Amino acid sequence: SQQGEEDPQALSIQEGENATMNCSYKTSINNLQWYRQNSGRGLVHLILIRSNEREKHSGRLRVTLDTSKKSSSLLITASRAADTASYFCATVGSGNTGKLIFGQGTTLQVKP
Amino acid sequence: EADIYQTPRYLVIGTGKKITLECSQTMGHDKMYWYQQDPGMELHLIHYSYGVNSTEKGDLSSESTVSRIRTEHFPLTLESARPSHTSQYLCASSEYSRGSSYNEQFFGPGTRLTVL
Repeated sequence: SQQGEEDPQALSIQEGENATMNCSYKTSINNLQWYRQNSGRGLVHLILIRSNEREKHSGRLRVTLDTSKKSSSLLITASRAADTASYFCATVGSGNTGKLIFGQGTTLQVKP
Repeated sequence: EADIYQTPRYLVIGTGKKITLECSQTMGHDKMYWYQQDPGMELHLIHYSYGVNSTEKGDLSSESTVSRIRTEHFPLTLESARPSHTSQYLCASSEYSRGSSYNEQFFGPGTRLTVL
């Protein structure tokens, strides 16, 4: 993978539970972004965290970033069946060319 | 919903055909991108553009070509399709601001291409 590893590759939980996905990357970054992809569709931007930030919240989403470990996590609280999708992290390199490098993604299934 | 469109959504063609995948956006974004994504896999950047008359190869080698004659259009062309080109192709766009660290990309719905 260009990016590194995302784990788990697949996650299945019950509605109401929390879901945590992890992402690791290889190079220094300008920012890290999380995207969501519903089956067979395009990606939707969820949240961006800059390299000088450690934690960010948006609604039921919480993202952390540890640049010393080159890793990030996405927490979805109180999950809903509609959260079922694939989630990708993507990094923008420190050269700020604007190019995103995507991870392999985590497929989340939330059972009603 | 982002104002970025791709046509066709699905395309099944025979080997050797020339095809063009259309992508257009109405947000006035300077940067546009093409990604290739196999089922269950990550996205790979195959082409990008910083603006009109700018095109660059991405990180994944591709036999496709692109053009950027107008800001809103970024079509991708395969001169002679092969079964190895079967994949999903996603187009995206973002604003360009020199020195900005904010690079949210807006994605189209994708074109799923099958070459028989």
